[in-house]
Amino acid sequence: DTGVSQNPRHKITKRGQNVTFRCDPISEHNRLYWYRQTLGQGPEFLTYFQNEAQLEKSRLLSDRFSAERPKGSFSTLEIQRTEQGDSAMYLCASSRQRMRDTEAFFGQGTRLTVV
Amino acid sequence: ELKVEQNPLFLSMQEGKNYTIYCNYSTTSDRLYWYRQDPGKSLESLFVLLSNGAVKQEGRLMASLDTKARLSTLHITAAVHDLSATYFCAVDMKGGNEKLTFGTGTRLTIIP
Repeated sequence: DTGVSQNPRHKITKRGQNVTFRCDPISEHNRLYWYRQTLGQGPEFLTYFQNEAQLEKSRLLSDRFSAERPKGSFSTLEIQRTEQGDSAMYLCASSRQRMRDTEAFFGQGTRLTVV
Repeated sequence: ELKVEQNPLFLSMQEGKNYTIYCNYSTTSDRLYWYRQDPGKSLESLFVLLSNGAVKQEGRLMASLDTKARLSTLHITAAVHDLSATYFCAVDMKGGNEKLTFGTGTRLTIIP
């Protein structure tokens, strides 16, 4: 499978616990994005990497959120001290550095439920 | 701040009918995307529109872009049940880095 891969697919956690999600992009893609999608809404941008550099973070990304892409390949998104409001689908996408017809391809997502 | 609005938000249509979904955005953009999402699933890319007047068609779906009006349309021809899904448009700001701003989505239900 050469698509964007995310793990786990589902995560249920208790409020206050830490969780970490992983994203493996398409191998030749040097850009990687994280989005969050709540029920009935469109995805919202969280952060973006070009290679290993985190180039932009949304105001939605509070101090409890951290993302890394240490070797410019896979990325992790960690949420510390989870809150019920963090319950959402977390989507990862990847793309090549901007070319004329480039587009972002999305993974299957990780659905987080905080109880 | 870039705003992207879609209408309608909900659409029920009979099989065989035609309809159009509209996507308006608030600032200059040089590319617009249409995605499909089935319940509980991720986003499937449908179209990438890169320039004013661009029109793309795939099966019963046709998308167009008018950058001067900041408007894109997704036209459905002779709808079939398999097209039931939520459709999102997303805009990449001009000179941007492919950070997408998504519309609110249009939930399309095709009824027999």
